[in-house]
Amino acid sequence: ETTLTQSPAFMSATPGDKVNISCKASQDIDDDMNWYQQKPGEAAISIIQETTSLVPGIPPRFSGSGYGTDFTLTINNIESEDAAYYFCLQYDNFPPTFGGGTKVEIK
Amino acid sequence: QLQLQESGPGLVKPSETLSLTCTVSGGSISFTSYYWGWIRHPPGKELEWIGGFKYGGSPYYHPSLKSRVTISLDTSKNQFSLRLSSVTAADTAAYYCARAPNKSGWFPFDYWGQGTLVTVSS
Repeated sequence: ETTLTQSPAFMSATPGDKVNISCKASQDIDDDMNWYQQKPGEAAISIIQETTSLVPGIPPRFSGSGYGTDFTLTINNIESEDAAYYFCLQYDNFPPTFGGGTKVEIK
Repeated sequence: QLQLQESGPGLVKPSETLSLTCTVSGGSISFTSYYWGWIRHPPGKELEWIGGFKYGGSPYYHPSLKSRVTISLDTSKNQFSLRLSSVTAADTAAYYCARAPNKSGWFPFDYWGQGTLVTVSS
């Protein structure tokens, strides 16, 4: 089973900050990684697919990068509405597995 | 717009069977272009994929849950269901249903339900 180590578990950011969230895979997963955003009481939404592809309708301040074992979700010029729980998913190896999640707070 | 909605009891007794249903609207579970699956999120732990299927195919289950899980579908109601037997407190979690496009890889989910919290307690 592929373990995804996501960091940090929590972060507090100021509007306008650049935020990086990391997901490290225990084995090579090519570019088979998605990123999601979830707000309390709401369904998770897909924000980045296949490591770098921005899902239509998601603001371009979100971006993804990486390959193999190291992946990053970047939020440029973070806004108050970006306060949420973020998590990664690898779907290259069976079973699909998730990172531990990052709670992002906006000051 | 595709929507998924989980439903079922919020409280299940230890050793009993947890049963949840996912109702899909805005799209048919009979389309072979998609996989449908269940995921859970125990408190304080990471999300865990439980299992899933593509219409017309055999279901896939997480190896650690395979002996206790059954996923089935009801195309007449556009629903699919999860049954998890012999539950313990470790099965307490928020349970989600989700859709994944049928492309390379295992269940790259794109749409999720809001989730339902299931507590296992006597």
